Amino acid sequence: GIQVEQSPPDLILQEGANSTLRCNFSDSVNNLQWFHQNPWGQLINLFYIPSGTKQNGRLSATTVATERYSLLYISSSQTTDSGVYFCAVFSGYSTLTFGKGTMLLVSP
Amino acid sequence: DGGITQSPKYLFRKEGQNVTLSCEQNLNHDAMYWYRQDPGQGLRLIYYSQIVNDFQKGDIAEGYSVSREKKESFPLTVTSAQKNPTAFYLCASSIEGIYEQYFGPGTRLTVT
Repeated sequence: GIQVEQSPPDLILQEGANSTLRCNFSDSVNNLQWFHQNPWGQLINLFYIPSGTKQNGRLSATTVATERYSLLYISSSQTTDSGVYFCAVFSGYSTLTFGKGTMLLVSP
Repeated sequence: DGGITQSPKYLFRKEGQNVTLSCEQNLNHDAMYWYRQDPGQGLRLIYYSQIVNDFQKGDIAEGYSVSREKKESFPLTVTSAQKNPTAFYLCASSIEGIYEQYFGPGTRLTVT
């Protein structure tokens, strides 16, 4: 099956710093989602992005499907950005395959 | 408010007992999914259903069972055959197929 690798596995930032999270996938995908898992476990949808670039406030995402990667940019990070960020890809059927996530800690 | 509800939030069971986790959605979505998350890991697909009265096994279906008698509901039963049932279980839904999935708040199951 398709493999999804996220990097870095862990990231510690000072409040106000910028960061880039990467998601590589091993095969062609029909679509891709980015999620933020908060400390209570809730998965929050960030982006649904098969290709191109989308922006939502301080967050933006770019997917280059032909090169099999996606990037999530967080600018001016805040403590509330802490949590785990997951990339998940659709391949073949209608099911998502998740990466192992990037754990982000933003300190004040 | 439209959304996905899961109950209960925390569930404790003794080894050897079957337990059923509830998942309800009022988004009028056709497709529903169950995932399992273990500490420090991503989510893994247990079962999914694209239409009422039909469902398919995911990557880790052994020891689990589901039903889809109503569009709004997709309960998951963790049977005594599941060797390591303690985990965080998340339910999701989507309009259909490859469209964006939305997740419920999850149920933390502890089996001792």
